[in-house]
Amino acid sequence: DGGITQSPKYLFRKEGQNVTLSCEQNLNHDAMYWYRQDPGQGLRLIYYSQIVNDFQKGDIAEGYSVSREKKESFPLTVTSAQKNPTAFYLCASRTGGAADTQYFGPGTRLTVL
Amino acid sequence: QQQVKQSPQSLIVQKGGISIINCAYENTAFDYFPWYQQFPGKGPALLIAIRPDVSEKKEGRFTISFNKSAKQFSLHIMDSQPGDSATYFCAAFRTFIQGAQKLVFGQGTRLTINP
Repeated sequence: DGGITQSPKYLFRKEGQNVTLSCEQNLNHDAMYWYRQDPGQGLRLIYYSQIVNDFQKGDIAEGYSVSREKKESFPLTVTSAQKNPTAFYLCASRTGGAADTQYFGPGTRLTVL
Repeated sequence: QQQVKQSPQSLIVQKGGISIINCAYENTAFDYFPWYQQFPGKGPALLIAIRPDVSEKKEGRFTISFNKSAKQFSLHIMDSQPGDSATYFCAAFRTFIQGAQKLVFGQGTRLTINP
């Protein structure tokens, strides 16, 4: 069963704690992305990575960190520096090549109490 | 120049009617224009996409119309059904480019189909 998996689906954390969201893909895609979506809002890019051990800041990277140690994994850490972390987080990967298309995972809803 | 402007923000259509969502872009280097459909609590799913070498692409009840000279493209949903009620995002990006690339998304349109 191929695709993009995100875990957990729901995550609750206390204010001031760091939390790491998982994103795994078995599609052999090079590029991976993290987005944040607030209720009724659009998609805002947090970080993206084209290859292993390389990543770039998106539009709202402050308070977040990522790593890309393996092609299939792109975890996102929401740090205590993120002022308003409660949101829906979406991971995506992109095929590249002639049929270049981006696909999304199912998302993780993070609630900070 | 990297923006994609999407309208309307919300849309209500009667069952059986035609839903039309519009997007406009500025960067003429964009060469791939996908539409995504998102249901509440789910990730966006690729619905249909078009390249600028064609003016229209149809898949079932969903059609993309593309106007290269006006730098606009639109999604038409024929015979709209209550199950089509969702948020729709248009996007644009450049393909076949080395290095990290990111999609530029529209702001989204919340579509409601009344039974």
